[in-house]
Amino acid sequence: QVQLQESGPGLVKPSQTLSLTCTVSGGSISSGSYYWSWIRQPAGKGLEWIGRIYTSGSTNYNPSLKSRVTISVDTSKNQFSLKLSSVTAADTAVYYCARDIAVAGEDYFDYWGQGTLVTVSS
Amino acid sequence: SYVLTQPPSVSVAPGKTARITCGGNNIGSKSVHWYQQKPGQAPVLVIYYDSDRPSGIPERFSGSNSGNTATLTISRVEAGDEADYYCQVWDSSSDQGVFGGGTKLTVL
Repeated sequence: QVQLQESGPGLVKPSQTLSLTCTVSGGSISSGSYYWSWIRQPAGKGLEWIGRIYTSGSTNYNPSLKSRVTISVDTSKNQFSLKLSSVTAADTAVYYCARDIAVAGEDYFDYWGQGTLVTVSS
Repeated sequence: SYVLTQPPSVSVAPGKTARITCGGNNIGSKSVHWYQQKPGQAPVLVIYYDSDRPSGIPERFSGSNSGNTATLTISRVEAGDEADYYCQVWDSSSDQGVFGGGTKLTVL
């Protein structure tokens, strides 16, 4: 059973960079044809896809966040990471990592982490 | 970018059938996936590829997709089905995931 766990600071100051890591257990991050995605959810609001990475390092980002987002992967640690720069209060949200099943361009997310709340405040 | 529209709320009595819609331009040409999210929990995949159920999801959950509307149907609704439900597609033209705004299902 694949499990994902987010980790990182719960509080980030405005204009700084939010950094989160997702650790995958129960299977190798490199096995199978999977992408690995980040998704966020502001309190009381809906889900927003942030971006994804393949273990080759290939990435796709939400155009609305692309200028501020970097997703990377460390296969030796079975982890992938999110960096979001120049954060504002609007970036306060629960951040989820998820396994992305990408077949014929009809991706869906079958395993999710429990989520981690990141608050942007001085 | 591609837009998915869901009703904010749907109410249903226990034992009845709930239908949650997801509207999008020619959504029938895409695969639609559905997630259930209970308060304080991560979303759970309940339907993928329009109508397939992951292991462990009750047969009461079904899906359909045609034209401009996809529908998640929950038969014999139980109190435990009360949750937010999100539809999702992959927008291949811009290579990004897209979620609907979510529908809160209330069991009366």
